[in-house]
Amino acid sequence: QVQLVESGGGVVQPGRSLRLSCAASGFTFSNYGMHWVRQAPGKNLEWVAVIWYDGSYDGRNKYYADSVKGRFTISRDNSKNTLYLQMNSLRAEDTAVYYCARDTMVRGIINNWFDPWGQGTLVTVSS
Amino acid sequence: DIQMTQSPSSLSASVGDRVTITCRAGQGIGNSLAWYQRKPGKAPKLLLYAASRLQSGVPSRFSGSGSGTDYTLTISSLQPEDFATYYCQQYHITPPTFGQGTKVEIK
Repeated sequence: QVQLVESGGGVVQPGRSLRLSCAASGFTFSNYGMHWVRQAPGKNLEWVAVIWYDGSYDGRNKYYADSVKGRFTISRDNSKNTLYLQMNSLRAEDTAVYYCARDTMVRGIINNWFDPWGQGTLVTVSS
Repeated sequence: DIQMTQSPSSLSASVGDRVTITCRAGQGIGNSLAWYQRKPGKAPKLLLYAASRLQSGVPSRFSGSGSGTDYTLTISSLQPEDFATYYCQQYHITPPTFGQGTKVEIK
């Protein structure tokens, strides 16, 4: 059974850091690109970042939304079947439920649509 | 970024009703459209991709259509388990972007 389980959310003060994790099971993790998507309270779903399955495309293998570029870092540990999101310099507007999601392309160019998703972890940035 | 606009934002319907949700893209997206269902506290679930292709395991009462900028999700006969929020998402151009959601409630 393919499953994604996020963890690491919580309450953090503005300007501080937090690292989210996403544990994957039921599939060959290293074969898939992985994404983070978030939804702030009362706001729309927003794609955050993607990391390629293993190799790279045009020399890069990570892409970010403009709203988090330079502050967030996506990474993965294929030996642990785990995806990460390191969030630095957090702002109130980063408050959201963060979902990890698997890309639908196997060992190829990212499709940018998602199946499955995890249930999400809530990050609250507040003083 | 491509803006995605869904309508209506919410609707009330009865079991057995035919339900249609519309999604309009800010520019042509070449059928690069996915639909998701989300229930409270649950992970979003992929229903359709490429505008009209049903994801494996999804009931056939769900269907999608459209082209260019305008797309539709149809539930042919609403079932109790279908009360949820539905989102469209374009993947034609990075970054992928979502509609604001349509909440389907019980009448």
